[in-house]
Amino acid sequence: QLQLQESGPGLVEPSETLSLTCSVSGDSISSSRYYWGWVRQPPGRGLEWIGTIFYSGNTYYNPSLKSRVTISVDASKNQFSLNLNSVTAADTAFYYCARVRELATLYDAFDIWGQGTLVTVSS
Amino acid sequence: DIVMTQSPDSLAVSLGGRATINCKSSQSVLYNSNNKNYLAWYQQKPGQPPKLLIYWASTRESGVPDRFSGSGSGTDFTLTISSLQAEDVAVYYCQQYYSTPYSFGQGTKLEIK
Repeated sequence: QLQLQESGPGLVEPSETLSLTCSVSGDSISSSRYYWGWVRQPPGRGLEWIGTIFYSGNTYYNPSLKSRVTISVDASKNQFSLNLNSVTAADTAFYYCARVRELATLYDAFDIWGQGTLVTVSS
Repeated sequence: DIVMTQSPDSLAVSLGGRATINCKSSQSVLYNSNNKNYLAWYQQKPGQPPKLLIYWASTRESGVPDRFSGSGSGTDFTLTISSLQAEDVAVYYCQQYYSTPYSFGQGTKLEIK
């Protein structure tokens, strides 16, 4: 059964870089040919798509964050990662990793989600 | 960018009653070449990640009870819960995946009356 698990610091100082990893278990990122994404949710608020990556490394970012975001994949560790630089308090949110439902398809829903991790931006 | 707008923001329904949540997109999410609406519905309970309920506007995800149904096409969509159960209390979101950036509605909070 496929499972996703986010990990990373829960507290990041303003102007620093937020770095999170999503570990995939129950399937291989490199052989499964799915797209994988990041979505965030400020506490008590709605969902915002951050970006999506293919196992090959092709990336798609939300223009509202594109200048600050990098998503990468490490197939050898069966992980993909999120880096968001120059963070402010507005980046405080639950960060979720998720899988796009259909094989090798960017344009589809997210069917498997991690439990999420809260990242607080504060000094 | 496509803007998704849900209504109402909150809704209280009696147990066993029907709940209807609407979602409107700022442009059509119907892809004419395959006649599919690129629209999903999610359920989110407190402290949990979103759970996919419906994709292609009306296809239930495996394991989702059949009291959940999705309808609509183009720019106007509806999620219906035919007989509300206590465990359906949650926030519901629609999402378009027709084009990037993917976008979600603001959410509809469903409670028991």
